[in-house]
Amino acid sequence: TAGITQAPTSQILAAGRSMTLRCTQDMRHNAMYWYRQDLGLGLRLIHYSNTAGTTGKGEVPDGYSVSRANTDDFPLTLASAVPSQTSVYFCASSVEGSQPQHFGDGTRLSIL
Amino acid sequence: RKEVEQDPGPFNVPEGATVAFNCTYSNSASQSFFWYRQDCRKEPKLLMSVYSSGNEDGRFTAQLNRASQYISLLIRDSKLSDSATYLCAVYSGTYKYIFGTGTRLKVLA
Repeated sequence: TAGITQAPTSQILAAGRSMTLRCTQDMRHNAMYWYRQDLGLGLRLIHYSNTAGTTGKGEVPDGYSVSRANTDDFPLTLASAVPSQTSVYFCASSVEGSQPQHFGDGTRLSIL
Repeated sequence: RKEVEQDPGPFNVPEGATVAFNCTYSNSASQSFFWYRQDCRKEPKLLMSVYSSGNEDGRFTAQLNRASQYISLLIRDSKLSDSATYLCAVYSGTYKYIFGTGTRLKVLA
């Protein structure tokens, strides 16, 4: 089934460790996004990419980095995890910025 | 003031009822508007885009009021399966896509 695949589904990570959340889409969408969703705060944009080779900062980029080497993949890296990064992370894609977004199933990340 | 605001609810309604949610936005230059549905511990899924003239999809009707800067979602003949959180999203250009925090709907038997 076409769509967005995120991995892992969930993870418990020790503070200070690094982690890469994976996101792959097979819809040939130009734009991809990473959000975190926290209770009471809703979805907040971490980073985005409007096309392969380019990335941009969202609302809450600190502590996160991304890369977009090709159209399909958009990994999110936490270089040194902190407990405040405990959240549910969603990857999304859209044909381009003004179009509806399609979301992956999410990654539940707990930093202890 | 938040850029996109929604009443968190919950809205508790009986089956068969009509319920409406509003979502206000602060950026008058906003270009595109959407409603998403999110079930507990699941990803948001697009319910419908909101067009300037208003649009309908089965029991769901979406409207845009640019003068007052809000969008609305009307659900007719509510079903138990409509119970979910409804998120509005507003696109304001340069990949600035802002989601509301959602309105919870519970449809009661």
